[in-house]
Amino acid sequence: QSALTQPPSASGSPGQSVTISCTGTSSDVGHYDYVSWYQQHPGKAPQLMIYEVSKRPSGVPDRFSGSKSGNTASLTVSGLQAEDEADYYCSSYAGSNKLVFGGGTKLTVL
Amino acid sequence: EVQLVESGGGLVQPGGSLRLSCAASGFTFSDYWMHWVRQAPGKGLVWVSLIDSDGSSASYADSVKGRFTISRDNAESTFYLQVNSLRVEDTAVYYCARGIRGARGLDYWGQGTLVTVSS
Repeated sequence: QSALTQPPSASGSPGQSVTISCTGTSSDVGHYDYVSWYQQHPGKAPQLMIYEVSKRPSGVPDRFSGSKSGNTASLTVSGLQAEDEADYYCSSYAGSNKLVFGGGTKLTVL
Repeated sequence: EVQLVESGGGLVQPGGSLRLSCAASGFTFSDYWMHWVRQAPGKGLVWVSLIDSDGSSASYADSVKGRFTISRDNAESTFYLQVNSLRVEDTAVYYCARGIRGARGLDYWGQGTLVTVSS
């Protein structure tokens, strides 16, 4: 049950696009299309942004998109806005009714 | 509106116990698998445990297996995490969350309850 690997930080200017990676193994990210992404602002609970690799819950702007290739999933935020500044976490189903999270990425809007 | 409200956190000495609760509303509780996730101060999210919709099956992270027990009461739309043999490293905010089709993700989260393990 090793954590998924995310870069500790990412940044971009307003209006730009930024992509955050999430690398797992052939036992989790590479095996299941059950990767989710969560946004967490300081002192707040996480909020689901993407599930099942690329699906957006209602209410999540279409500026947020997800994809996967092999053992690596990605979250892309297009048209960066100030309110996108937050911590982002990926998670994946890891088999045997277990989930695993990434270590988190702090997104800074410059 | 889906709501999840945790309670039961607090300050406890190493080796102590607590029972965390998560009261659910706004959806048919008995249809969903439910999860606990924790976050140590300044650290990332860590999945802790899940329970299936009728309470017949549960799963735990290796770090808490044998010490934590998840349960649910569908009549009360509430589920629980009994945390025993607490260690300093169990200090965290504990979030409850609703599962997407079991364990494919977590779509609604509570606001969290803080457990502090300290002497």
